[in-house]
Amino acid sequence: DADVTQTPRNRITKTGKRIMLECSQTKGHDRMYWYRQDPGLGLRLIYYSFDVKDINKGEISDGYSVSRQAQAKFSLSLESAIPNQTALYFCATSDSGPQETQYFGPGTRLLVL
Amino acid sequence: QKEVEQDPGPLSVPEGAIVSLNCTYSNSAFQYFMWYRQYSRKGPELLMYTYSSGNKEDGRFTAQVDKSSKYISLFIRDSQPSDSATYLCVSQGGSEKLVFGKGTKLTVNP
Repeated sequence: DADVTQTPRNRITKTGKRIMLECSQTKGHDRMYWYRQDPGLGLRLIYYSFDVKDINKGEISDGYSVSRQAQAKFSLSLESAIPNQTALYFCATSDSGPQETQYFGPGTRLLVL
Repeated sequence: QKEVEQDPGPLSVPEGAIVSLNCTYSNSAFQYFMWYRQYSRKGPELLMYTYSSGNKEDGRFTAQVDKSSKYISLFIRDSQPSDSATYLCVSQGGSEKLVFGKGTKLTVNP
């Protein structure tokens, strides 16, 4: 079984709709991250959480919110989706340490019409 | 200026070629330097990491960091079609958040 899972894997939605992307991990890591990946722009950090009670904004948090329901679960919400949020979204986890290895999920491909 | 700059390519080489992928970074606080590999329709995964300056070799892959010039390289010897992927250059400093380059797409042709 995959260590980091994301649901759904693909989603098509309409402008203005609220959607939630979910991430679960079985690695026992405290740290979890949400990124979006766009052609030509690379990976950009949306939000991150170092433990259940810790939530931090990344470089592009506007229009997004997150919830850390448990150590193993980290959800990303788009309160009112817009077309420029069309992207590939990745969840990642890591353990703490001086050299941090992040483990990525398979990604969610989101299309906002 | 983005903290980690990477030529996006694409780069296309014949099987067996030596591949050189390069990045520059701007933040002197970066101490860990990593290469992640991302296959099509998959999430990135760690390929190699180095601490500070120097070389690190793992099979056909060699990672090289020159902190004096803020230059990061990944060399692939005897490249194979299975090496076709996007390679992400990543740096990490005191904030512990990873800083990703935009990635270089590599295609190795049989």
